[in-house]
Amino acid sequence: AQKVTQAQTEISVVEKEDVTLDCVYETRDTTYYLFWYKQPPSGELVFLIRRNSFDEQNEISGRYSWNFQKSTSSFNFTITASQVVDSAVYFCALSRRNSGNTPLVFGKGTRLSVIA
Amino acid sequence: DAGVIQSPRHEVTEMGQEVTLRCKPISGHNSLFWYRQTMMRGLELLIYFNNNVPIDDSGMPEDRFSAKMPNASFSTLKIQPSEPRDSAVYFCASTDDRGRGTEAFFGQGTRLTVV
Repeated sequence: AQKVTQAQTEISVVEKEDVTLDCVYETRDTTYYLFWYKQPPSGELVFLIRRNSFDEQNEISGRYSWNFQKSTSSFNFTITASQVVDSAVYFCALSRRNSGNTPLVFGKGTRLSVIA
Repeated sequence: DAGVIQSPRHEVTEMGQEVTLRCKPISGHNSLFWYRQTMMRGLELLIYFNNNVPIDDSGMPEDRFSAKMPNASFSTLKIQPSEPRDSAVYFCASTDDRGRGTEAFFGQGTRLTVV
């Protein structure tokens, strides 16, 4: 069975601070995909990143960076110099790598509040 | 591209009434997913279709829930009869993955309130 754990339910930071959102996953598959989605107060789910299980290179996109460590089954997300607009619920998700399409298994999410 | 379109955006209904949620996936996508979001359970998969065929409906909570995908451009999720515990945000998502792990694109969601 697949499982995603986001231990941090809520985080509050002051603007311009760096913040890391933790994600730990469980799967018996040897190949899989990991994702992060953002859900702002307006409610939609916005895709941020996808990572293939055999690509452990870290990725940076502007103020966002992701640290994938297969040895610890973790896929953590760091926001550098946080801004008020980063306030949202962030979801980590996992899917199987299969010949067909498979659904995402989501963590419970981490609510990030950035205070001005 | 208009993205995944869900209707209605908000629905308030009385307990016992039938509710139908609608979803139009992105044109060309071959998989469609229905998720439900609640505070207690988070985002949980209800059912998904590949090429209009239901693959896994084990997440559908009870027989009161049913879903159909009559063609590649339309799907419905029906609750009959509705109960207050069905109150949640229902998301539809689609993808053209074919095993490549492409991200799922989500609709805006339908906020259902059963009173």
